[in-house]
Amino acid sequence: AQTVTQSQPEMSVQEAETVTLSCTYDTSESDYYLFWYKQPPSRQMILVIRQEAYKQQNATENRFSVNFQKAAKSFSLKISDSQLGDAAMYFCALKNQGGKLIFGQGTELSVKP
Amino acid sequence: DTGVSQDPRHKITKRGQNVTFRCDPISEHNRLYWYRQTLGQGPEFLTYFQNEAQLEKSRLLSDRFSAERPKGSFSTLEIQRTEQGDSAMYLCASSRSTVNYGYTFGSGTRLTVV
Repeated sequence: AQTVTQSQPEMSVQEAETVTLSCTYDTSESDYYLFWYKQPPSRQMILVIRQEAYKQQNATENRFSVNFQKAAKSFSLKISDSQLGDAAMYFCALKNQGGKLIFGQGTELSVKP
Repeated sequence: DTGVSQDPRHKITKRGQNVTFRCDPISEHNRLYWYRQTLGQGPEFLTYFQNEAQLEKSRLLSDRFSAERPKGSFSTLEIQRTEQGDSAMYLCASSRSTVNYGYTFGSGTRLTVV
């Protein structure tokens, strides 16, 4: 069975600082994809960043980057130059060959002005 | 690309009543997924369709739950004889069938059973 674990229920960061959200996963499949989704309060879930498991290079999207450690099954999200609009629930997710997304429990990020 | 639409946005129902939710996916997406999310938790998979075929159902989906996608376009999720434990956000998402695509989510239907 595939599992995704986010061990930080809440995180806080000062505006303009950098924060890292942790995620570990477990899967027996060799071909899979990892995602970070952002869910602002009372708003829909949006894709932040995506990583293909077969790629060694870490994905980046503007201020968002990941640290993908395949052997350790770790997939952390780094947010640089944090902005007030980054405050949200962040979910790590694993997509296997079956195409079904499996989510972690989420990390609530607050940004202090 | 008009996004994924869900209707209604909110539903309050009395225990024991039946409710039905609708999801309209992005037109070129052949996969459609239903998830349930309770407060402060990650979405839990319920079921998914590829075109009109229902390919997988979670054990979370009891006999009171049924989902359809009759023409491979919109989908409905029906809950019969609602219970207070059914109160949650019901999320719909769609994607292409290729594995490297993420999902596009709708805004969800928040169900409150009183």
